This record gives sequence, C-alpha cells and structure tokens, in this order.
Amino acid sequence: AQSVTQPDIHITVSEGASLELRCNYSYGATPYLFWYVQSPGQGLQLLLKYFSGDTLVQGIKGFEAEFKRSQSSFNLRKPSVHWSDAAEYFCAVGAPGGFKTIFGAGTRLFVKA
Amino acid sequence: DGGITQSPKYLFRKEGQNVTLSCEQNLNHDAMYWYRQDPGQGLRLIYYSQIVNDFQKGDIAEGYSVSREKKESFPLTVTSAQKNPTAFYLCASSMSPVGGTDTQYFGPGTRLTVL
Repeated sequence: AQSVTQPDIHITVSEGASLELRCNYSYGATPYLFWYVQSPGQGLQLLLKYFSGDTLVQGIKGFEAEFKRSQSSFNLRKPSVHWSDAAEYFCAVGAPGGFKTIFGAGTRLFVKA
Repeated sequence: DGGITQSPKYLFRKEGQNVTLSCEQNLNHDAMYWYRQDPGQGLRLIYYSQIVNDFQKGDIAEGYSVSREKKESFPLTVTSAQKNPTAFYLCASSMSPVGGTDTQYFGPGTRLTVL
C-alpha cells in the first residue's frame, strides 16, 4: 500500500528566501505524485503533479518539484517566497488503477517579513 | 464558472442530531469524494463515488452516510453514531471514475462543530 510522509509539521522562512518542503513516499512502482496548497479555511488547489517523464516538474505560482526515485522523494521548491505563499502544503500519492489518493499530514508554511 | 460548492460554510449541531452537508459540482466529473480534515492529520477519506448510484466506504466511514442520486450531487450525512464529528469536511471531484491518479478539485469546505 502506498503512503506519504511529510517530515516537517511547520516551516518558517523569510520573504524572498528560498523554500524546500520535503515529501517521501512509499510505493512499489512509479507513483503518481501531487502537491496541493490550502489557504486557511479553504479547499485544496493543485500546484503540480508528476506522472512520468522529466523528473523536474513545473507548477503554478512559481513552484517546482523534483522526483527522485532513489530517495523516494518528491520535494517542493520555490526560489523566492512571497508573503502570499503562507499556507498549508500537502503531498499526495496515487497508484495506477487505484481509486484513492493518499495525502500526507501537511506542512504549514509561515513567511516572516 | 465551473467548480464545486459546499454548503453551509459553518454548521453547528447538538449532540444526537444528524446533519447533512451539501456538495455540488458542475464540472461533469464522474468521481466524487468526501474527506475529513483534523489538525495534524491531513485528509482522511470518508466515502467516494465513482459513478451515479454507486459509492464505496473510505478509511473512516463509520458514523457517516452518503448518496449519489445525481452526477452533480454527493451529500454527506453525519449521524449521531459518529463519536467525534467536530472537524473540517472537504468535498472533491475528479474527472475519471478511477480517480486515484487524477487531479482532484476541492470545494471550500464545511466546518462542523458539535455543541
């Protein structure tokens, strides 16, 4: 069965600094990987997803993620964080032919001025 | 605009009462989902439906019930059997009936508080 681990419950970065949010997954084959973002009191919005091909995936709002099979990781990055990026970020994994997407516990991002 | 709507945004319930949360989508998506979100626990799947008139239990279905009589609608009833119903509830949909690998589109959520 697939699973997702987000090791950091919360992270604080300064505005303009770079960001990396960690995600590790467990799945026997190549998974379908997602990053979603949730603003306070709102639903989730897809940032990016990886199915196959190029291991560096570009998403919306200037985010990117890199799939590393050898490390079972799919870390999210942004070169320069804006105050509006403060939110909760969820990594998720799905299996081909499966009906469910498994979500990590989330990482809350705080941005300081 | 296409999307998913959930109502109400806030809901208060007395212990022992059943309440129904509404979820409607106009995206023409086949699959719909209900998740429960608690702080520090991410999203846990309550029920999902791949097509009209069919639905399956998720990981935490006890104390909840659903129906899928129309493609656009997937209401969730929180029954008095649910021991700890206070939470944030999210509805989602995906285009494919086999939604595990599909992008999910989320509604804005309903916050249920049991008094």
